[in-house]
Amino acid sequence: NAGVTQTPKFQVLKTGQSMTLQCAQDMNHEYMSWYRQDPGMGLRLIHYSVGAGITDQGEVPNGYNVSRSTTEDFPLRLLSAAPSQTSVYFCASSYGQTLNTEAFFGQGTRLTVV
Amino acid sequence: GIQVEQSPPDLILQEGANSTLRCNFSDSVNNLQWFHQNPWGQLINLFYIPSGTKQNGRLSATTVATERYSLLYISSSQTTDSGVYFCAVQIKAAGNKLTFGGGTRVLVKP
Repeated sequence: NAGVTQTPKFQVLKTGQSMTLQCAQDMNHEYMSWYRQDPGMGLRLIHYSVGAGITDQGEVPNGYNVSRSTTEDFPLRLLSAAPSQTSVYFCASSYGQTLNTEAFFGQGTRLTVV
Repeated sequence: GIQVEQSPPDLILQEGANSTLRCNFSDSVNNLQWFHQNPWGQLINLFYIPSGTKQNGRLSATTVATERYSLLYISSSQTTDSGVYFCAVQIKAAGNKLTFGGGTRVLVKP
Protein backbone atom coordinates (compact mmCIF):
# COMPACT_ATOMS: atom_id res chain seq x y z
CA ASN A 1 0.00 0.00 0.00
CA ALA A 2 1.23 3.49 -0.86
CA GLY A 3 -0.89 5.18 1.84
CA VAL A 4 -1.58 8.86 1.13
CA THR A 5 0.20 10.22 -1.93
CA GLN A 6 0.49 13.92 -2.72
CA THR A 7 1.72 15.47 -5.93
CA PRO A 8 3.64 17.59 -6.66
CA LYS A 9 6.13 17.80 -3.78
CA PHE A 10 7.23 21.32 -4.70
CA GLN A 11 5.59 24.06 -6.78
CA VAL A 12 6.26 27.71 -7.54
CA LEU A 13 3.37 29.79 -8.88
CA LYS A 14 3.01 33.36 -9.99
CA THR A 15 0.30 35.48 -8.39
CA GLY A 16 -2.99 34.91 -10.19
CA GLN A 17 -2.11 31.50 -11.60
CA SER A 18 -4.27 28.49 -10.88
CA MET A 19 -3.26 24.96 -10.01
CA THR A 20 -4.49 21.72 -8.49
CA LEU A 21 -2.76 19.85 -5.70
CA GLN A 22 -3.42 16.13 -6.01
CA CYS A 23 -4.10 13.72 -3.16
CA ALA A 24 -4.81 10.02 -3.50
CA GLN A 25 -5.18 7.24 -0.93
CA ASP A 26 -5.38 3.49 -1.45
CA MET A 27 -6.74 2.52 1.97
CA ASN A 28 -10.45 2.87 1.07
CA HIS A 29 -10.77 5.65 3.63
CA GLU A 30 -13.98 7.67 3.59
CA TYR A 31 -12.64 10.72 5.40
CA MET A 32 -10.13 12.95 3.60
CA SER A 33 -8.93 16.43 4.41
CA TRP A 34 -6.51 19.22 3.48
CA TYR A 35 -4.42 21.23 5.94
CA ARG A 36 -1.95 24.02 5.56
CA GLN A 37 1.07 24.58 7.75
CA ASP A 38 2.67 27.97 8.06
CA PRO A 39 6.09 28.64 9.67
CA GLY A 40 6.15 28.06 13.40
CA MET A 41 2.53 26.96 13.49
CA GLY A 42 0.54 23.80 13.71
CA LEU A 43 -1.71 22.61 10.91
CA ARG A 44 -5.01 24.33 10.06
CA LEU A 45 -7.89 22.61 8.30
CA ILE A 46 -8.87 23.96 4.86
CA HIS A 47 -11.55 21.55 3.60
CA TYR A 48 -12.63 18.02 4.34
CA SER A 49 -14.82 15.26 2.91
CA VAL A 50 -16.62 12.36 4.58
CA GLY A 51 -17.23 10.49 1.33
CA ALA A 52 -17.60 10.76 -2.43
CA GLY A 53 -19.81 13.71 -3.35
CA ILE A 54 -19.63 15.30 0.12
CA THR A 55 -17.32 18.17 1.07
CA ASP A 56 -17.31 20.80 3.79
CA GLN A 57 -15.29 23.81 4.86
CA GLY A 58 -12.70 23.88 7.59
CA GLU A 59 -11.07 26.78 9.42
CA VAL A 60 -9.39 28.52 6.45
CA PRO A 61 -11.35 27.70 3.25
CA ASN A 62 -11.13 31.03 1.41
CA GLY A 63 -9.27 30.85 -1.88
CA TYR A 64 -9.52 27.06 -2.15
CA ASN A 65 -11.98 24.70 -3.83
CA VAL A 66 -12.34 20.95 -3.46
CA SER A 67 -14.38 18.13 -4.97
CA ARG A 68 -14.66 14.42 -4.20
CA SER A 69 -15.77 12.42 -7.21
CA THR A 70 -14.17 9.15 -6.06
CA THR A 71 -13.28 7.61 -2.70
CA GLU A 72 -9.59 7.59 -3.62
CA ASP A 73 -8.98 11.17 -4.76
CA PHE A 74 -9.41 14.56 -3.11
CA PRO A 75 -7.84 17.38 -5.17
CA LEU A 76 -7.36 20.90 -3.83
CA ARG A 77 -7.71 23.76 -6.32
CA LEU A 78 -6.27 27.23 -6.08
CA LEU A 79 -8.20 29.34 -8.60
CA SER A 80 -6.10 32.51 -8.37
CA ALA A 81 -2.97 32.06 -6.28
CA ALA A 82 -1.95 34.78 -3.82
CA PRO A 83 1.31 35.20 -1.87
CA SER A 84 -0.67 34.52 1.35
CA GLN A 85 -1.18 30.97 0.08
CA THR A 86 2.54 30.25 0.29
CA SER A 87 2.59 27.33 2.68
CA VAL A 88 3.11 23.60 3.06
CA TYR A 89 -0.05 21.64 2.28
CA PHE A 90 -0.84 18.26 3.78
CA CYS A 91 -3.54 15.82 2.79
CA ALA A 92 -4.83 13.31 5.33
CA SER A 93 -7.23 10.38 5.35
CA SER A 94 -8.86 8.15 7.94
CA TYR A 95 -11.26 5.22 8.14
CA GLY A 96 -14.92 6.04 8.61
CA GLN A 97 -16.75 9.34 8.50
CA THR A 98 -16.39 10.67 12.01
CA LEU A 99 -12.62 11.10 12.45
CA ASN A 100 -12.59 8.99 15.60
CA THR A 101 -9.97 6.75 14.03
CA GLU A 102 -6.31 7.29 13.28
CA ALA A 103 -5.50 9.87 10.58
CA PHE A 104 -2.66 9.31 8.09
CA PHE A 105 -0.87 12.17 6.36
CA GLY A 106 0.80 12.52 3.00
CA GLN A 107 4.34 13.85 2.63
CA GLY A 108 3.23 17.40 1.89
CA THR A 109 3.40 19.86 -1.01
CA ARG A 110 5.56 22.94 -0.53
CA LEU A 111 3.94 25.80 -2.47
CA THR A 112 5.52 29.21 -3.07
CA VAL A 113 3.51 32.01 -4.67
CA VAL A 114 5.61 34.88 -6.01
CA GLY B 1 -13.02 28.26 21.00
CA ILE B 2 -11.17 25.00 21.02
CA GLN B 3 -7.80 25.15 22.71
CA VAL B 4 -4.96 22.68 22.38
CA GLU B 5 -1.88 23.78 24.24
CA GLN B 6 1.46 22.03 24.21
CA SER B 7 4.34 22.50 26.58
CA PRO B 8 7.16 23.19 26.63
CA PRO B 9 7.43 25.01 23.28
CA ASP B 10 11.11 24.14 22.99
CA LEU B 11 13.25 21.42 24.51
CA ILE B 12 16.98 20.79 24.23
CA LEU B 13 18.17 17.39 25.38
CA GLN B 14 21.48 15.64 25.67
CA GLU B 15 21.49 12.30 23.93
CA GLY B 16 20.38 9.62 26.37
CA ALA B 17 18.15 11.91 28.46
CA ASN B 18 14.46 11.34 29.17
CA SER B 19 11.73 13.90 28.66
CA THR B 20 7.98 14.48 28.97
CA LEU B 21 5.88 16.53 26.59
CA ARG B 22 2.42 17.68 27.58
CA CYS B 23 -0.79 18.40 25.65
CA ASN B 24 -3.76 20.10 27.35
CA PHE B 25 -7.11 20.34 25.61
CA SER B 26 -10.20 22.32 26.41
CA ASP B 27 -13.04 19.83 25.87
CA SER B 28 -13.97 16.15 25.61
CA VAL B 29 -12.28 14.35 22.71
CA ASN B 30 -13.06 11.47 20.38
CA ASN B 31 -9.60 11.34 18.90
CA LEU B 32 -6.14 12.29 20.11
CA GLN B 33 -2.99 11.64 18.16
CA TRP B 34 0.69 12.40 18.61
CA PHE B 35 2.82 13.10 15.55
CA HIS B 36 6.52 13.64 14.97
CA GLN B 37 7.43 16.05 12.20
CA ASN B 38 10.96 15.20 11.17
CA PRO B 39 13.47 17.74 9.82
CA TRP B 40 12.34 16.93 6.28
CA GLY B 41 8.78 17.97 7.12
CA GLN B 42 7.21 14.54 7.10
CA LEU B 43 4.44 13.91 9.67
CA ILE B 44 4.87 10.52 11.28
CA ASN B 45 2.12 8.92 13.32
CA LEU B 46 3.33 8.06 16.82
CA PHE B 47 0.18 7.22 18.77
CA TYR B 48 -3.57 7.18 18.36
CA ILE B 49 -4.54 7.52 22.01
CA PRO B 50 -7.91 9.10 22.95
CA SER B 51 -7.53 7.43 26.36
CA GLY B 52 -5.23 5.07 28.25
CA THR B 53 -1.57 4.26 27.86
CA LYS B 54 0.44 2.91 24.93
CA GLN B 55 4.10 2.14 24.40
CA ASN B 56 6.17 1.79 21.25
CA GLY B 57 9.85 1.19 21.86
CA ARG B 58 11.39 4.19 23.62
CA LEU B 59 8.21 6.20 23.29
CA SER B 60 5.08 5.96 25.36
CA ALA B 61 1.96 8.06 25.78
CA THR B 62 -0.78 8.47 28.33
CA THR B 63 -4.07 10.28 27.93
CA VAL B 64 -6.24 11.12 30.92
CA ALA B 65 -9.40 12.14 29.11
CA THR B 66 -11.32 13.08 32.25
CA GLU B 67 -8.62 15.60 33.16
CA ARG B 68 -8.11 16.74 29.55
CA TYR B 69 -4.43 16.13 29.07
CA SER B 70 -2.03 13.78 27.35
CA LEU B 71 1.65 13.12 27.95
CA LEU B 72 4.30 11.85 25.55
CA TYR B 73 7.39 10.28 27.11
CA ILE B 74 10.69 9.98 25.29
CA SER B 75 13.23 7.77 27.00
CA SER B 76 16.94 7.44 26.19
CA SER B 77 16.62 10.15 23.54
CA GLN B 78 18.56 9.88 20.29
CA THR B 79 19.52 12.53 17.74
CA THR B 80 16.92 11.06 15.39
CA ASP B 81 14.23 12.12 17.88
CA SER B 82 14.86 15.75 16.93
CA GLY B 83 11.99 17.56 15.25
CA VAL B 84 8.60 18.92 16.24
CA TYR B 85 6.06 16.91 18.17
CA PHE B 86 2.40 17.73 17.59
CA CYS B 87 -0.66 16.76 19.53
CA ALA B 88 -3.92 16.81 17.55
CA VAL B 89 -7.43 16.29 18.90
CA GLN B 90 -10.95 15.91 17.61
CA ILE B 91 -13.21 17.69 20.04
CA LYS B 92 -16.60 15.93 20.33
CA ALA B 93 -18.56 19.17 20.11
CA ALA B 94 -16.58 20.61 17.21
CA GLY B 95 -17.35 18.18 14.40
CA ASN B 96 -15.12 16.41 11.95
CA LYS B 97 -11.76 18.07 12.23
CA LEU B 98 -8.45 17.61 13.97
CA THR B 99 -7.23 20.65 15.89
CA PHE B 100 -3.46 20.82 16.26
CA GLY B 101 -1.48 22.22 19.12
CA GLY B 102 1.40 24.57 18.45
CA GLY B 103 3.98 21.81 18.83
CA THR B 104 7.06 21.16 20.94
CA ARG B 105 10.35 21.63 19.10
CA VAL B 106 12.89 19.07 20.34
CA LEU B 107 16.61 19.17 19.67
CA VAL B 108 18.68 16.22 20.84
CA LYS B 109 22.40 16.98 20.96
CA PRO B 110 25.01 14.22 20.57
